[in-house]
Amino acid sequence: GQNIDQPTEMTATEGAIVQINCTYQTSGFNGLFWYQQHAGEAPTFLSYNVLDGLEEKGRFSSFLSRSKGYSYLLLKELQMKDSASYLCAAMDSNYQLIWGAGTKLIIKP
Amino acid sequence: DAMVIQNPRYQVTQFGKPVTLSCSQTLNHNVMYWYQQKSSQAPKLLFHYYDKDFNNEADTPDNFQSRRPNTSFCFLDIRSPGLGDAAMYLCATREGGRTTDTQYFGPGTRLTVL
Repeated sequence: GQNIDQPTEMTATEGAIVQINCTYQTSGFNGLFWYQQHAGEAPTFLSYNVLDGLEEKGRFSSFLSRSKGYSYLLLKELQMKDSASYLCAAMDSNYQLIWGAGTKLIIKP
Repeated sequence: DAMVIQNPRYQVTQFGKPVTLSCSQTLNHNVMYWYQQKSSQAPKLLFHYYDKDFNNEADTPDNFQSRRPNTSFCFLDIRSPGLGDAAMYLCATREGGRTTDTQYFGPGTRLTVL
């Protein structure tokens, strides 16, 4: 079957760094997406990885290892507005997204 | 600004009373999706369209129907809402067909069933 695993909840301190991990199993693979979702709002796109390695985009970076079926999202210089759920989604061979349940990130002052 | 619009943002209906949720897009994207998302859960794909080609997910209940009269609009009909259908309903679009383009989401409609 197809599934995505990511931690349910994480807590970090304002100004710190946090890494959110995601493992995936899909029928075929066409890339890994990270979305941010604030409570009661729609997901917004953060990053897309299809090749192994690290992609950096400002305070956010995303890493992919295809051989391990593993990705992480790295958030630096955390701000209170980063409190949200972070959804990992893998695209399968039919170009459909297989979604994780999201990691709720709590930022404390 | 090009965008994905969902109306209404909040919808309250009674148990068993049909309800229609709407989605429109100004992105001119070929692909449109309807997702159901319950609290702290992954979005669950209900339907998607490649242009007018309709695709129904295998585990989408018969109670849910969808229509896409043209490129810009897509509707989700819930024929007899039950308490378990209370959720956020998300519409998303994607530019291409069998490509790795990003999905863009509307703000969602939160459905309450009384």
